[in-house]
Amino acid sequence: AQTVTQSQPEMSVQEAETVTLSCTYDTSESDYYLFWYKQPPSRQMILVIRQEAYKQQNATENRFSVNFQKAAKSFSLKISDSQLGDAAMYFCAYRRVGAQKLVFGQGTRLTINP
Amino acid sequence: KAGVTQTPRYLIKTRGQQVTLSCSPISGHRSVSWYQQTPGQGLQFLFEYFSETQRNKGNFPGRFSGRQFSNSRSEMNVSTLELGDSALYLCASSLAASSTDTQYFGPGTRLTVL
Repeated sequence: AQTVTQSQPEMSVQEAETVTLSCTYDTSESDYYLFWYKQPPSRQMILVIRQEAYKQQNATENRFSVNFQKAAKSFSLKISDSQLGDAAMYFCAYRRVGAQKLVFGQGTRLTINP
Repeated sequence: KAGVTQTPRYLIKTRGQQVTLSCSPISGHRSVSWYQQTPGQGLQFLFEYFSETQRNKGNFPGRFSGRQFSNSRSEMNVSTLELGDSALYLCASSLAASSTDTQYFGPGTRLTVL
C-alpha cells in the first residue's frame, strides 16, 4: 500500500520569505501523480500544484514550485515570497494512475508571521 | 460555474442514529469521491463513484455506505453512529474517472456525534 509522510507537523516563516515543506512517499508503482493541497481555516481543500511522475521537469505555479526527486521518493513544496494568505494546513497527496483515490500525508500547518 | 456543494454544512447527531450527507458535484462532473477527516486519522478515503457505480471503497465498516444518482449527485450514509464518526466529511468531484483529471473539493460537512 502506498503511504505519504510529512515529517513537519508545523512550520512558520516571515512574510515575504521562502519556506519549503517536505514530503516523502512510498510506492512500488513507476507512474503516478503527486499533489499539494492547501486547507485554510475555512476547511475548503484547494489544489496548489500537481506533478506527473513521468515528467522530469518540476512543476511550478506562480510562487509555488516543487522539488520532485523520484529516486528518493521525495516531493517538497517551495513557497516563495510568502503572503499572509498562505497560512493554512498543507497536505501532500499521492494518486496512482487509473485511480481517483488520493492518499494523503498528515499535513503541515504553516504560519506566516507579519 | 458553481463549485462542489455539500449539505448540510453542520450536523449534530447522537450515538445510534443514522445520517445522510449530500454532495452535488460541479456541473458536468461525473466522478465523486468521499473522504473522512479527523485529527487522529487524518484524511482517509471512503469511496468513489462514477456513473452511478462504486469503483473503489476504502477500509471502513459496512455502516458507511454511499450511492450516486443519474445526475451525478452523491449521498453517503452512516448508520448506527459512534462517537468516533465525528469528523469533517469531504466530497470531491472530477470530470471523469481518469487519473489525469483534477479533483475539486467541497467545503465539507462537519458531523458531531454526541
